[in-house]
Amino acid sequence: DTEVTQTPKHLVMGMTNKKSLKCEQHMGHRAMYWYKQKAKKPPELMFVYSYEKLSINESVPSRFSPECPNSSLLNLHLHALQPEDSALYLCASSQGPSYSYEQYFGPGTRLTVT
Amino acid sequence: DQQVKQNSPSLSVQEGRISILNCDYTNSMFDYFLWYKKYPAEGPTFLISISSIKDKNEDGRFTVFLNKSAKHLSLHIVPSQPGDSAVYFCAASQPNTGNQFYFGTGTSLTVIP
Repeated sequence: DTEVTQTPKHLVMGMTNKKSLKCEQHMGHRAMYWYKQKAKKPPELMFVYSYEKLSINESVPSRFSPECPNSSLLNLHLHALQPEDSALYLCASSQGPSYSYEQYFGPGTRLTVT
Repeated sequence: DQQVKQNSPSLSVQEGRISILNCDYTNSMFDYFLWYKKYPAEGPTFLISISSIKDKNEDGRFTVFLNKSAKHLSLHIVPSQPGDSAVYFCAASQPNTGNQFYFGTGTSLTVIP
C-alpha cells in the first residue's frame, strides 16, 4: 500500500480564518513533507519532518505552522492567509530522511483564500 | 534559480508510438533522479528513478536514460497509451541537503488515440 491521504480535498477560507490540513500515511515512512504547488508550476518544498522532528523549513511565513503528532500524521495549521496563498497543498512521505528515497504524494488539498 | 529544467511544456504523440520526455539539470552534485506523473486534481505519482551510478533503468514500458556528462535525462514510454496523457515532472536530489527534491516545470504529454 503506497497511499498517502489528505483531508480536506477542497478548502475555502477567509483571511481571518484558522484552519488545518491533515495528512496520513500507514507505510511506516519516517519522513513527511509539505509542498505548495501553483498552477503550471512545479511543487515547492515547504517543510520536512524526519522522525517526527522538523528538519527543513524553507523560509515559509509563520502563518503556516506544521505539526507532526506522530509518525503517521502530519498537519498544516493555517492562520491569517493571503489570497496569494491559494494553491494545491501536497503532502508526501518517504521511507526515511535520505535523498535517494522516492517520495509518495497524496492527492492534495485545493486551498482558496478569499 | 531553476536547477532542473524541462524545456518542452507540451508534447503530443500518436498512440502506440514512443514518447520521449527530456530534462536538463545544472547542478553536478545531483545524484538521484526521478520521474513523476501527475493527473489533474491529483498528487504526483512516482514512476521511475535512476541513480547516478547507472545510465539506464527500465520498468515495463518506461525507461529512464541518464547522460551525466551532458547533465541530461530522458524518459521513454513505449508504446504510448492514451492513459499516459498527464503532466510529467522530473526531479533531482543530492546528498547532504536533507530530502529536498528539485522539480522541473513539467511537460504535458497528450497521447492521441
